[in-house]
Parts: sequence; structure tokens; C-alpha cells
Amino acid sequence: QVQLVESGGGVVQPGRSLRLSCVASGFSFSSYGMHWVRQAPGKGLEWVAVIWFDGSSKYYVDSVKGRFTMSRDNSKNTLYLQMDSLRPEDTAVYYCVRGQCGGDCSHFDYWGQGTPVTVSS
Amino acid sequence: QSVLTQPPSASGTPGQRVTISCSGSSSNIGINIVNWYQQFPGTAPKLLIYSNNQRPSGVPDRFSASKSGTSASLAISGLQSEDEADYYCAAWDDSLNGVLFGGGTKLTVL
Repeated sequence: QVQLVESGGGVVQPGRSLRLSCVASGFSFSSYGMHWVRQAPGKGLEWVAVIWFDGSSKYYVDSVKGRFTMSRDNSKNTLYLQMDSLRPEDTAVYYCVRGQCGGDCSHFDYWGQGTPVTVSS
Repeated sequence: QSVLTQPPSASGTPGQRVTISCSGSSSNIGINIVNWYQQFPGTAPKLLIYSNNQRPSGVPDRFSASKSGTSASLAISGLQSEDEADYYCAAWDDSLNGVLFGGGTKLTVL
């Protein structure tokens, strides 16, 4: 069965970095666009970034552009989110999500369990 | 970044029919499909409706959805207590090159 398992979350000081990972299994990882979606405490869902199935395109929400970098290693079935210059407003649960297309869609059929990130001094 | 507009709350009694609206624009709902998600507290969201009006296997047919122009709506008929959750609409936005979520609607079953 399809599984998405995130790791790498934790507590970090403002301005520092963190790298999230998501290991995928149970499907052909290299055939799907992958996304990160976050949810701040008590708030709604916010899309963060997408990477095309082959890594050829990446797009980010304005608030993280220039600070976050999404990448993937299809040989390891692993998705990454490098988060630099973290801010308190980045505090959220981060979900790894499979898109049911190569890249530009909002059809998210599988979600990881989420990894919490807290940015605080 | 703009969001799709949903009412923050909705409510109904068991057995009633409830609808949740989602308003967007010509660059998102107007030209792209809408998907709906259901989320219970402390859990990851779950796909409820895809491709505007399709239900994944396992989703009861009490849940239905439609799209017209730049708006979409989710309908829940025969409301049950276990339907109490947060509901989100989502669509790709061609101008932003990204996904927009609605702000979420908290459904309360009275």
C-alpha cells in the first residue's frame, strides 16, 4: 500500500535551517508530482511547494520563495524540503503529499502523517 | 497569497442536507478542477472529492460536489454526527503556479 513517511521536524531557532525528508513506498515514486502542504497550529491548510515527477519544475508559495528548496531523489524514493532562514511563522505541521498527476494539480490522494516544525527562540 | 473563499462554519442537524461553498477566480476554479478534503482533529486531511465531483472509493454517496464558473460547492446529505470535521476545497492556480486551498469550513452537527 502507498505510504509516505516524513521525518526531520523539530524545534529550531529563528534564522536556522532544517531539512525534512519523506520516504515513499508502495507506488512508482518517479511517476508522480509531489507536494508539501503545511498547517499552522489551529489554522487551515497552506500549500508550500511542488516538484514535478522528474524534478524538471518546482514552484513555491510566495512566503517561502528564496528560503525553501524542494528536491527529490527518485532512486531513493525520497522527497526533501530544505528550509533555511526559518521564521516563527513557518511553525506548522508539514505534510508530504502525492499529487495525482505529473505536477500541476490539486488532486492529493495520499498524505503522510505530518512532521511538526516549531520555530522559536 | 490569496485563498479560495469558504464560509468559516456550517451546521446542521442529523439527517439534514448541508452545503459548503468555495469561491475562486478565473485563474483557478474557472479553469482547473476542484478537489475537496475532509480533516478530523489531529489527523492528516483525506481526499473526499476529486475532479470536481468524483468520489474516491469508500466515500459515501451522501457526499457530492459541483462546480460552476468560478465557484464550487460540496453537499452533504443525510448528515451524520461522524461528518463533523473541517472541509477544504483546493484548486491549482495558473497565475500563481501553485495550489490554493480554501480557508476551511468547520462543520458542526447539532
